[in-house]
Amino acid sequence: QQPVQSPQAVILREGEDAVINCSSSKALYSVHWYRQKHGEAPVFLMILLKGGEQKGHEKISASFNEKKQQSSLYLTASQLSYSGTYFCGTERGGGADGLTFGKGTHLIIQP
Amino acid sequence: DGGITQSPKYLFRKEGQNVTLSCEQNLNHDAMYWYRQDPGQGLRLIYYSQIVNDFQKGDIAEGYSVSREKKESFPLTVTSAQKNPTAFYLCASSIGRGSPLHFGNGTRLTVT
Repeated sequence: QQPVQSPQAVILREGEDAVINCSSSKALYSVHWYRQKHGEAPVFLMILLKGGEQKGHEKISASFNEKKQQSSLYLTASQLSYSGTYFCGTERGGGADGLTFGKGTHLIIQP
Repeated sequence: DGGITQSPKYLFRKEGQNVTLSCEQNLNHDAMYWYRQDPGQGLRLIYYSQIVNDFQKGDIAEGYSVSREKKESFPLTVTSAQKNPTAFYLCASSIGRGSPLHFGNGTRLTVT
């Protein structure tokens, strides 16, 4: 079952902030975040393995609320290079069942 | 350089024909995955394998088959039973559960 991402699309001016959310109805073992540029393969950003865990990557960070089975990706002071489609992927708790991705959030950064 | 290779980049087939997509990795990863990407649908899991000689169906396995005879190879066959085979197919690998996925550059399959 695919996790649900929101919003579907975001348009920002360079320097603005954005938040992308990911939620699941199932108990989660991990949450992954990837970015994909048009015509390219997805690129790994970060993975969160424990409830409440927050990770950072330059001006991109993420949190994981285990109780709510939700994760959020935070992009601060966005740059043109942040444009692309962001996907969250989830692995469920209770056994190995592969990584399931959401439908993605399209992020457009304008100068 | 270690990596994951998909071939070919573009593939064209006539309806009713089976076609096999290649995926090879030299990262010594145990787990391998096949995803299908359609506009607006994200990446949907077709099959995955956590170890050699074992694989499991993902969310959209109907009309597809795989094998995992070698650790470094995980070919995907798109059979004539797949009703809408035209799509972008991505292969990925990882050390295992809870580890990042490394993706190949994908194969774009067009069936007419």
